[in-house]
Amino acid sequence: QKEVEQDPGPLSVPEGAIVSLNCTYSNSAFQYFMWYRQYSRKGPELLMYTYSSGNKEDGRFTAQVDKSSKYISLFIRDSQPSDSATYLCAMKGLGNTGFQKLVFGTGTRLLVSP
Amino acid sequence: GAVVSQHPSRVICKSGTSVKIECRSLDFQATTMFWYRQFPKQSLMLMATSNEGSKATYEQGVEKDKFLINHASLTLSTLTVTSAHPEDSSFYICSARDLPDTQYFGPGTRLTVL
Repeated sequence: QKEVEQDPGPLSVPEGAIVSLNCTYSNSAFQYFMWYRQYSRKGPELLMYTYSSGNKEDGRFTAQVDKSSKYISLFIRDSQPSDSATYLCAMKGLGNTGFQKLVFGTGTRLLVSP
Repeated sequence: GAVVSQHPSRVICKSGTSVKIECRSLDFQATTMFWYRQFPKQSLMLMATSNEGSKATYEQGVEKDKFLINHASLTLSTLTVTSAHPEDSSFYICSARDLPDTQYFGPGTRLTVL
């Protein structure tokens, strides 16, 4: 079993739809959760960074973390064609020896049609 | 957010030659930088962690003599692919760690070895 599971998609939605992207994880030591957006042939761009369970909102994006279920989500409201990209979840633990490396999901490819 | 640059963005070389890729943090100092490799439609695979002024830490299975990493300053890390072969063709992405503990990615370098 992978540490982080993410449906690769593609997920196709019409413009204006609410998009829900999800990841599940197995390592209860993960404490920090991130969502990155990656356009084709580009590096990942940090969208959201969360620590605690609950919701965090930034514009059209809402990140949700449920540590009890080991489940995180990213919601995109009023989706636009420019949101078409691959969305990667990433997470890491809180190490007592310093930095912990990120563990990535495989990424979900999102296609928003006009 | 913080900006990380990579140079070159694309390189084509002959088999047997060495290629150097530069990663720079433009508006912050990064004591830690990371090098990833990404194959088409796959997630990022961490190759090594680079700390300023010390030797890089390589992930299991990554040949340190083939992928030479130097982190000479707080804003620059380099990856040299030595004696490149066609199987080394890939998308190489660096990231830099900014305080308090966030990774920002470069735009990536596409390496093609003929």
